Amino acid sequence: GENVEQHPSTLSVQEGDSAVIKCTYSDSASNYFPWYKQELGKRPQLIIDIRSNVGEKKDQRIAVTLNKTAKHFSLHITETQPEDSAVYFCAVRESTLGRLYFGRGTQLTVWP
Amino acid sequence: EAGVTQSPTHLIKTRGQQATLRCSPISGHTSVYWYQQALGLGLQFLLWYDEGEERNRGNFPPRFSGRQFPNYSSELNVNALELEDSALYLCASSSQQNTEAFFGQGTRLTVV
Repeated sequence: GENVEQHPSTLSVQEGDSAVIKCTYSDSASNYFPWYKQELGKRPQLIIDIRSNVGEKKDQRIAVTLNKTAKHFSLHITETQPEDSAVYFCAVRESTLGRLYFGRGTQLTVWP
Repeated sequence: EAGVTQSPTHLIKTRGQQATLRCSPISGHTSVYWYQQALGLGLQFLLWYDEGEERNRGNFPPRFSGRQFPNYSSELNVNALELEDSALYLCASSSQQNTEAFFGQGTRLTVV
């Protein structure tokens, strides 16, 4: 099966700075890479996703980049705000069974 | 359109009892995933159902089981409950056509 590794496990940044979270995967045939944000006590919410035929996708302050050759993808948050504080999970959907594999999560804290 | 709904929101059981958790996917979604999220930890994959069949199973003992009904709703059963089964149980649904998965609000299971 797929092996997804996410780094770092915790990340603290000052308000206004950028934050980058990286995930690597093992199956080169995997084709879908979503990112979820989970605020304390709430359900994980899909915030952005990218498919294997695209290298970069941006939505306002968040962006995701995909390097298929190196098998890694990253979440970029610019101009961070305290409300960005949450746990972020990357995920990978394998192409054979279609199962969704999650990384272990990154606790992002944005200090005002 | 209603999102993914789970019931009950909270469940308290004693050790050795059985728990039944329910999930209703988004209308039109045929896939249901179950995850266990223990306090402070990531999303541990339990089970995946699609079109009424079990497609994949995570590394959990057989006392964790489930099923998917003809209307694509799903049930997770946990037999012989142990204290360490206390966790937030999340289900997510996706369609065959799209690849986005959306989460329910979860069932908080407490075993005492």
